[in-house]
Amino acid sequence: QLQLQESGPGLVKPSETLSLTCTVSGGSIISSTHYWGWIRQPPGKGLEYIGSMYFYGTTYYNPSLKSRVTISVDTSKNQFSLKLNSVTASDTAVYYCARQFKDWFDSWGQGTLVTVSS
Amino acid sequence: EIVLTQSPATLSLSPGERATLSCRASQSVSNYLAWYQQKPGQAPRLLIYDASNRATGVPARFSGSGSGTDFALTISSLEPEDFAVYYCQQRSSWPLTFGQGTKVEIK
Repeated sequence: QLQLQESGPGLVKPSETLSLTCTVSGGSIISSTHYWGWIRQPPGKGLEYIGSMYFYGTTYYNPSLKSRVTISVDTSKNQFSLKLNSVTASDTAVYYCARQFKDWFDSWGQGTLVTVSS
Repeated sequence: EIVLTQSPATLSLSPGERATLSCRASQSVSNYLAWYQQKPGQAPRLLIYDASNRATGVPARFSGSGSGTDFALTISSLEPEDFAVYYCQQRSSWPLTFGQGTKVEIK
């Protein structure tokens, strides 16, 4: 069964870079039918799409975050990663990684809370 | 960007009752709409995709309908485990967007 697990620092200082990794197990990240994406959810609020990537490198970013976001993949480790730079308190959220099938998110990680604070 | 507006914000019902949740798109999304369920402390779970197709393992009491700009998620008879927040999501155009959610709470 496919499992996704987010990892990374739970606390990031303002103006610094948020870095998270999603490790995929029970299946390969090298898939002709799936993208791999990131979604976030501020505490008590709704879901916001951040961006996605295909295993060979094609990426799509939400225009609202595009200038600050980079998503990359490491096929040798079956992982993909998120970097969000110049963070502020408004970037505090639970960050989820997920598998996309036809742009539906059909498998999710458990999520990891990242707090931006000095 | 396509805006999805869900209503009502909160739905207060008793177990066994029928729940109908609405999602309206700011422009047509054809049938490219999904519904997710999220319980406290958990990740969302895909329930319905392409407006009316149940995802694997989703009970038959969940059904989706609609096309264009108006969609509905119906839970025919609420079970205790169905009390949660529900989100719609469109994939008609980028960026992918979600509605703000409807909370189904126990009356």
